[in-house]
Amino acid sequence: GQNIDQPTEMTATEGAIVQINCTYQTSGFNGLFWYQQHAGEAPTFLSYNVLDGLEEKGRFSSFLSRSKGYSYLLLKELQMKDSASYLCAPQDSNYQLIWGAGTKLIIKP
Amino acid sequence: SAVISQKPSRDICQRGTSLTIQCQVDSQVTMMFWYRQQPGQSLTLIATANQGSEATYESGFVIDKFPISRPNLTFSTLTVSNMSPEDSSIYLCSVRNEGAGEAFFGQGTRLTVV
Repeated sequence: GQNIDQPTEMTATEGAIVQINCTYQTSGFNGLFWYQQHAGEAPTFLSYNVLDGLEEKGRFSSFLSRSKGYSYLLLKELQMKDSASYLCAPQDSNYQLIWGAGTKLIIKP
Repeated sequence: SAVISQKPSRDICQRGTSLTIQCQVDSQVTMMFWYRQQPGQSLTLIATANQGSEATYESGFVIDKFPISRPNLTFSTLTVSNMSPEDSSIYLCSVRNEGAGEAFFGQGTRLTVV
């Protein structure tokens, strides 16, 4: 079967750093996406990893280890507007996105 | 990128009625999808809308309940038929090109069935 595991909720302080982990099991693998979803809004694309290693994009970075079935999203210099859900979505052998339940990130002043 | 207009943004419907949700994209896209999302839960794929042919439904979803049209490469509709309170959810249209690029989403339709 296909399975995505992310923490349900995390809390962090404004200005700090937070790491959101994702482990996955899929039928084949063709990269992994991270999306941000603010409450009541549609998901928006953050990052895509297909090879092992770290991809950095401003305050956000995403890491992938294919052998471990593991990815994380690293958010630096947290801002209040980063309060949202973060969805991990690996892509299986048919290029279908398998969506995790998401991690709700709460930022406190 | 793709800009998606999804309508209506929300609706409150009587049980037993049907609602049709529209998804209009500003450019031609190869793949269009319909998702359902309960509050605090994952995106659940309902079906892939195929241009000019019947949609491909996921397990647990059937055409009689969720008929889908896709007359061209920029437009699709999802109908939620014979609604019950259990159909209350957010419905999202999504598009991708070539099946491997990032997915873009409409703003969603918040449906409440009373």
